[in-house]
Amino acid sequence: QVQLQQWGAGLLKPSETLSLTCALSGGSFSGYFWNWIRQPPGKGLEWIGDINHSGSTNYNPSLEGRVTVSVDTSKKEFSLKLTSVTAADTAVYYCARYDYHSAEHFDSWGQGTLVTVSS
Amino acid sequence: QSALTQPPSASGSPGQSVTISCTGTSSDVGAYNYVSWYQRHPGKAPQLLIYEVSKRPSGVPDRFSGSKSGNTASLTVSGLQAEDEADYFCIAYAGSSGSVFGSGTKVSVL
Repeated sequence: QVQLQQWGAGLLKPSETLSLTCALSGGSFSGYFWNWIRQPPGKGLEWIGDINHSGSTNYNPSLEGRVTVSVDTSKKEFSLKLTSVTAADTAVYYCARYDYHSAEHFDSWGQGTLVTVSS
Repeated sequence: QSALTQPPSASGSPGQSVTISCTGTSSDVGAYNYVSWYQRHPGKAPQLLIYEVSKRPSGVPDRFSGSKSGNTASLTVSGLQAEDEADYFCIAYAGSSGSVFGSGTKVSVL
């Protein structure tokens, strides 16, 4: 059974760098897109970016320049870095696997990490 | 692209049915049969309930069903159980624009 386990710092000060990692167990890393998605308090879900096993990335234009998604296939892990955070980056952050073969959908999610940005 | 519109809340008594709508546009919900639905309990990972409008992954009870008409997709939960109290959200494929996310619906079991 595919499982995604994520971790990272939950409290940051403005201007610091958000760093989260997501590890895959029970599945293959190739053939999917690996995503980061967030949900600010009281707001909807926002796609942040994705990466495939080869390291090819796509980013939300509104975050481009601050966001980096990377992958370590040997560890079956992928990571998110978001620089120069502000209070607007306070959100629950999720990692998720995207299946684009048979059907376009996110078929597995991490448990979410609440990241709070506060001075 | 704009978020998919869902009602903020829905409710029903145990054993009843509740239907949640997910309204998009002709560029997302109406354009492709790639609408998926998810259940999220507080502090837990979202779980895939429905994909490709009406398909259920193995292990998802057949109390959960999906459909689509035009630019609106729907999720119906039949035979409501206490454990169905959760947040539900839809996601639609929008081609080169990627995925569009629903605003989420909180379902309460009375």
